Amino acid sequence: DVVMTQTPVSLSVAIGQPASISCKSSQSLVGTSGKTYLNWLLQRPGQSPKRLIYLVSKLDSGIPDRFSGSGSETDFTLKISRVEADDLGVYYCLQGTHFPLTFGSGTKLEIK
Amino acid sequence: QVKLLQSGAELVKPGASVKLSCKTSGFTFSTSYMSWLKQVPGPSIEWIGWIYAGDGGTNYNQKFKGKATLTVDKSSSTAYMDLSSLTSEDAAVYFCARGRVLDYWGQGVMVTVSS
Repeated sequence: DVVMTQTPVSLSVAIGQPASISCKSSQSLVGTSGKTYLNWLLQRPGQSPKRLIYLVSKLDSGIPDRFSGSGSETDFTLKISRVEADDLGVYYCLQGTHFPLTFGSGTKLEIK
Repeated sequence: QVKLLQSGAELVKPGASVKLSCKTSGFTFSTSYMSWLKQVPGPSIEWIGWIYAGDGGTNYNQKFKGKATLTVDKSSSTAYMDLSSLTSEDAAVYFCARGRVLDYWGQGVMVTVSS
């Protein structure tokens, strides 16, 4: 199985400050179609996960452009340009290129 | 809009089975994939498998073969997951999610295994 390694495990960020989360995969996530199936999700406290970004950098509908995704092959990054209170929760990366689908272990974002 | 409504919390005895449901609306279920996932405190999320509602074809995570069985009822746009021979290792929150891209998720259902 593809191992997804997320760092940091947690981070505390003040409102208005940037945040960055790294996700590294144990093998390339470029699929046979040439697409890279790397998603980012946010699970707010007491809620189910919500997809924010798919195919590395495409924002889901309604997701503010404060969020951005980048990366290729095995190294990926989620950035929040200016953290807001509503951003707190656990962020997960998810790869959908190889079976079985696998998740990172999560990064807990706290508001400082 | 897309909605996935899961059945309520379950308390089941060790060795028993449980059937979880995920009723959908707001999209064409009959040509969609439905995924199921498991989350245990840690937190960690595991993908169990998916089913194509069109023909019932499935793809399971090897880890869950023999444990989970996915089915659908196209007439009610509902996906189901049977979990068999439950042990304490199966206690978790289970989610359904749309498609192979997991773009929409159900609210989750907690399964407790206890005698």
